[in-house]
Amino acid sequence: NAGVTQTPKFQVLKTGQSMTLQCAQDMNHNSMYWYRQDPGMGLRLIYYSASEGTTDKGEVPNGYNVSRLNKREFSLRLESAAPSQTSVYFCASSETGPYNEQFFGPGTRLTVL
Amino acid sequence: TQLLEQSPQFLSIQEGENLTVYCNSSSVFSSLQWYRQEPGEGPVLLVTVVTGGEVKKLKRLTFQFGDARKDSSLHITAAQPGDTGLYLCAGAGRGNMLTFGGGTRLMVKP
Repeated sequence: NAGVTQTPKFQVLKTGQSMTLQCAQDMNHNSMYWYRQDPGMGLRLIYYSASEGTTDKGEVPNGYNVSRLNKREFSLRLESAAPSQTSVYFCASSETGPYNEQFFGPGTRLTVL
Repeated sequence: TQLLEQSPQFLSIQEGENLTVYCNSSSVFSSLQWYRQEPGEGPVLLVTVVTGGEVKKLKRLTFQFGDARKDSSLHITAAQPGDTGLYLCAGAGRGNMLTFGGGTRLMVKP
């Protein structure tokens, strides 16, 4: 089992460019999440999907869109990248349960120039 | 907004020393999780504490959930270089969403 996989691992964009970050999990989890991690700020939730076909905004959704393509895949799209979106992006998944224990992918390091 | 504050932010110690990391909030959480993250990787779950006053041990790591379920601590006994990493606490609150603390970056020197 690969767990949670993310592509690409690194990306450099120019301001205004668009891109999609891909995430897939093979643990048959219902819930999936996108976080960004900035120095000293822990992880902040961008969007989440409690189940296939549903998505909801998290703490910092502005400038992002998501698609829950199927139960396995959850993508994050930056339509017009800005330097403030320079960050490390993590995808995570969890089972439906009382504690929401999450499994994380290896991350995508994004730089917007 | 539920906030979790971790202290200290940075900790550099010698192998064999003991240390404690704190995670504090003014909010009550239904459960609290601790993760460890190594450079270039995603966080990995270490433990979940659920009951106020609960203590869990994982080898040399001891985790405690405060009686009021607003705070938690992680104590490492006889730290080793392999303990080096970023330690994150996360509380489950409204809608069972996780709120993460800012992290404690630990370096254990041989």
